[in-house]
Amino acid sequence: AQKVTQAQTEISVVEKEDVTLDCVYETRDTTYYLFWYKQPPSGELVFLIRRNSFDEQNEISGRYSWNFQKSTSSFNFTITASQVVDSAVYFCALRYSSASKIIFGSGTRLSIRP
Amino acid sequence: DAGVIQSPRHEVTEMGQEVTLRCKPISGHDYLFWYRQTMMRGLELLIYFNNNVPIDDSGMPEDRFSAKMPNASFSTLKIQPSEPRDSAVYFCASSLWDTEAFFGQGTRLTVV
Repeated sequence: AQKVTQAQTEISVVEKEDVTLDCVYETRDTTYYLFWYKQPPSGELVFLIRRNSFDEQNEISGRYSWNFQKSTSSFNFTITASQVVDSAVYFCALRYSSASKIIFGSGTRLSIRP
Repeated sequence: DAGVIQSPRHEVTEMGQEVTLRCKPISGHDYLFWYRQTMMRGLELLIYFNNNVPIDDSGMPEDRFSAKMPNASFSTLKIQPSEPRDSAVYFCASSLWDTEAFFGQGTRLTVV
């Protein structure tokens, strides 16, 4: 089965706290791509990052960092020193080579309280 | 590039009416996806095309839904007849084969 699981439905933290959003995926393919998207209250879907299955290097972009571990089939997203503007729904997604379609997890609603 | 363009942004229609949603993908992208977003079901993939050919329509809810891609720069999603349970935000997205998908602004459909 090809599947993305985001077990955290909602997370609420106080501004400046660090927060990690979990993503677990399932795929039989050896070549695949993982993504994170952000959906702010305005509703658009904004691409954040892509990782392919052959690149397990972690990535940092400002306050955002991503940890990809094939051993646990996880692709977790950490926001350091969270800000109110980070409040949004965050989606993890999987694209696998045998079908090339993109499937999404159910999303995690993140609320940052001032 | 202007990105993926969807129209209309909002649509309110009466039950039983035909609804047509439109999408212009990013030039050069050879994949086009239609998604539906609801609170209950999240982001569901309805159908996707590669080089204008439908590849997988297993997500289309029922025969009332149909999608076409007559050329590389245009796609439609049609619902006929519409029902209140079709109310949702419909997103179109496009991509190259191994890249992320870029999404349009979405069409918020309300069927009353």
